[in-house]
Amino acid sequence: DTGVSQDPRHKITKRGQNVTFRCDPISEHNRLYWYRQTLGQGPEFLTYFQNEAQLEKSRLLSDRFSAERPKGSFSTLEIQRTEQGDSAMYLCASSPGTQETQYFGPGTRLLVL
Amino acid sequence: AQSVAQPEDQVNVAEGNPLTVKCTYSVSGNPYLFWYVQYPNRGLQFLLKYITGDNLVKGSYGFEAEFNKSQTSFHLKKPSALVSDSALYFCAVRLFTDSWGKLQFGAGTQVVVTP
Repeated sequence: DTGVSQDPRHKITKRGQNVTFRCDPISEHNRLYWYRQTLGQGPEFLTYFQNEAQLEKSRLLSDRFSAERPKGSFSTLEIQRTEQGDSAMYLCASSPGTQETQYFGPGTRLLVL
Repeated sequence: AQSVAQPEDQVNVAEGNPLTVKCTYSVSGNPYLFWYVQYPNRGLQFLLKYITGDNLVKGSYGFEAEFNKSQTSFHLKKPSALVSDSALYFCAVRLFTDSWGKLQFGAGTQVVVTP
């Protein structure tokens, strides 16, 4: 299967700890998106990469959040000093272009205690 | 500002009956419209999209949707629902002029198909 993969699938952490999530997009997809989904809501856009360049960030992405895509392939999303409000499903999606469909990974479910 | 509304939190339908999941949108330009489905503890799975052209779009698993510009709607339909169609359905919109292509999603509609 050559779909989008995310690791880990689940993460439980204590408030104040740092966490990092990884996303591997579909091969040759140059566009990568991060979304956050809370219970009972649709996904909300967080940030977007075209190759290695981070081109847009949502206001939802506070200073505690940072995302990278160092070689234009996989991406990481780091949350520093986690808060209980960070508990959510973090979804990654990739597409070959803006005209194209975004394909989503299975998500990383974060629980901050 | 663009927005997407899914007016029903839940749709209940008996297996074999037609299924409709409603979606309306509000954008200032030409929209691209999408439907995704989410099964428990899973990511979103693409069903279909409207970019341009024929207003009736056919997608995966027997689903279709009709783009209605005058009513700003993009309702998802299936002629005969299956129990396995029980899932959470999301409508999403992006602007044609949005070069970054980010999607804005509705809150989702839970579909329950009973045997």
